[in-house]
Amino acid sequence: EVQLEESGGGLVQPGGSLRLSCAASGFTFSSFWMHWVRQAPGKGLVWVARIDNDGRSTTYADSVKGRFTVSRDNAKNTLYLQMNSLRAEDTAVYFCARGFVGPDYWGEGTLVTVSS
Amino acid sequence: DIQMTQSPSSLSASVGDRVTITCRASQGIRNDLGWYQQKPGKAPKRLIYAASSLQSGVPSSFSGSGSGTEFILTISSLQPEDFATYYCLQHNSYPWTFGQGTKVEVK
Repeated sequence: EVQLEESGGGLVQPGGSLRLSCAASGFTFSSFWMHWVRQAPGKGLVWVARIDNDGRSTTYADSVKGRFTVSRDNAKNTLYLQMNSLRAEDTAVYFCARGFVGPDYWGEGTLVTVSS
Repeated sequence: DIQMTQSPSSLSASVGDRVTITCRASQGIRNDLGWYQQKPGKAPKRLIYAASSLQSGVPSSFSGSGSGTEFILTISSLQPEDFATYYCLQHNSYPWTFGQGTKVEVK
């Protein structure tokens, strides 16, 4: 069974940093592109970033480019999102998802709150 | 960026009703579109991929159609568990973009 489990969310002050993790199981992690998608409270889904299966290629939404870094450790079956210079508008539930032609499986998400 | 315009933003329907939701892309995206269902506090669940292919395990009451710029999700007979919010997602080019969502509520 495919499972994705995010962790690392929490309350952080504006300008601060946080690293999210996504632990994958039930499939060959190293064969799949992975994505981060976020959802602000009461709002819609927004794609954030993607990484190819071996971690050599990444793409970001303009809103996070230069502040967020997506990476992966295929030996640990884990996806990461390093978030720096956080802003109030980054407050959201962050989902990891797998897929090349649109995400098929998603984790349940982890809440990041940016507030003083 | 490709804009996805989804309509309606909400609708009220009864069990057994036929429901249609539309997504229009600001430029052609071939069939690079998926439909997702999301319930409150839960992760999105993919219903349809490649615009018209049914995800394994999803009831056949769900169907998708379209190509290019106009796409439709149809629920042929609404069931109690189908009350949720639905999103389209284009994955033709980055940044991937979602429609604004359609909340299907009980009439």
